[in-house]
Amino acid sequence: SYVVTQTPSVSIAPGQTATITCGGDNIVSKNVHWYQQKPGQAPLLVISYDADRPSGIPDRFSGSNFGNTATLTISRVEAGDEADYYCQLWDTSSDHPGVFGTGTKVIVL
Amino acid sequence: AQLVESGGTSAQPGKTLRLSCAASGFKFDDYSMHWVRQVPGKGLEWVSGISWSSRTKGYAASVKGRFTIFRDNAKNTLFLQMDSLRPEDSALYYCVKGTPIGGDYDSGAFDIWGQGTMVTVSS
Repeated sequence: SYVVTQTPSVSIAPGQTATITCGGDNIVSKNVHWYQQKPGQAPLLVISYDADRPSGIPDRFSGSNFGNTATLTISRVEAGDEADYYCQLWDTSSDHPGVFGTGTKVIVL
Repeated sequence: AQLVESGGTSAQPGKTLRLSCAASGFKFDDYSMHWVRQVPGKGLEWVSGISWSSRTKGYAASVKGRFTIFRDNAKNTLFLQMDSLRPEDSALYYCVKGTPIGGDYDSGAFDIWGQGTMVTVSS
């Protein structure tokens, strides 16, 4: 099955830019989606199809996908951005087609 | 748009449970639907998905042959039949709406999530 790797945690000061990566073999060939999950809440879609921002998501959230790495960028980080972030994609050739990354905890200092 | 799960409870290994998900606020029969689970404190795991028409379905390797996903478009309801339960199936199970409209089960993002229903498998 397709393996995606995420850094376990990222610590960032308010106002700075947080970069969260999702690594996988030729991941650029796949559509990558990103979810934010705060404690006790269901996940929330923040970026779809590599770089599309759903309605209601601040433009501080952006995404890209090149080579073997997809990236979620949070600009001008706020305290309310502290959460777990998961990437997700489909590996249709696998016996486990729905794939989530292991998650990255963003800690706002 | 809203998804409300039910049916989660405690069960013994080897037993059967059926989860339900009532959808409202969107045209249910236009979208794929999914189950995603999460062990408290751990990451997300996609469990199963079904296309808008029920024509195609998919399962994670960990549940294939034991779980069955199905839907009733007339009642805007998604189901997950869980047979031969194992302790490792213990998790919070989320009902999730897929994108895009008319998409197959193995494409798109998950744009609406329920609050989850807890399943505990223990002897």
